[in-house]
Amino acid sequence: QQQVKQSPQSLIVQKGGIPIINCAYENTAFDYFPWYQQFPGKGPALLIAIRPDVSEKKEGRFTISFNKSAKQFSLHIMDSQPGDSATYFCAARAPLEALNFGKGTSLLVTP
Amino acid sequence: DGGITQSPKYLFRKEGQNVTLSCEQNLNHDAMYWYRQDPGQGLRLIYYSQIVNDFQKGDIAEGYSVSREKKESFPLTVTSAQKNPTAFYLCASSFTGKLGNNQPQHFGDGTRLSIL
Repeated sequence: QQQVKQSPQSLIVQKGGIPIINCAYENTAFDYFPWYQQFPGKGPALLIAIRPDVSEKKEGRFTISFNKSAKQFSLHIMDSQPGDSATYFCAARAPLEALNFGKGTSLLVTP
Repeated sequence: DGGITQSPKYLFRKEGQNVTLSCEQNLNHDAMYWYRQDPGQGLRLIYYSQIVNDFQKGDIAEGYSVSREKKESFPLTVTSAQKNPTAFYLCASSFTGKLGNNQPQHFGDGTRLSIL
C-alpha cells in the first residue's frame, strides 16, 4: 500500500520553465518530508526537506510548498536547466521509522 | 571521505543460488536500511536496523535476509526463495533517536542484480 502518492509520473519542460511535482499522504504521524534527486545508475541524493510546521522552504532554485490541512506537498524547480533532468522522489517519515517513498517523477528539461 | 559503500556494482545470480550484497558506512550512523528499486515502483523497504544485532522487516522482506553484527555493516542476502530478484538494490543509513528525527537518510550508489 503506497503511503505517499506522487504525480505526475513524467514531466517535460523547456529550459527556464518551472516544473512542479506533487505528493499526497494520509498518515498524520509523518513529520519529515524530504525530496530526493536521482541520476541514472546512482543512489538518490537529498535535495531539500521540510517539517509540517512551515508552509514553504527554499534552497537555491528548489522550493517545497507544504499544505498540512490538505496533507499535500510539492516541489517547484525555478529556472530549470537541462542538468536538472533526473528522477525526483518525495518521501515521508514518522518518528523513528524508515522513509516511505513516492513512485518517482522522471523530469526532462529540454534545451 | 565519509559515505556509504555498496559492492559489487553489478551482480549476477544463477537459479537456486543465494547471493549477498555488501553495504558499509563510515558515517557513524545508527540506522541502516535496504530498499529495492524497480522501474516505475519507487523505492520499497526490504529491511531496516536501528541498532546492532536488531532489525525489522519492511514491506517486501520475503525472500531476503539480513544481519547487523557491526554498526558499520548491513549485508543483504537475496535467497533462492526470492523468485523475482532482478532489481536495483539501495542501501541507506541515518542517525536515530533524538538525533534521528528529521535527519536525512544517505544512500549508496546501489547494486544492480540480474538473473543468469
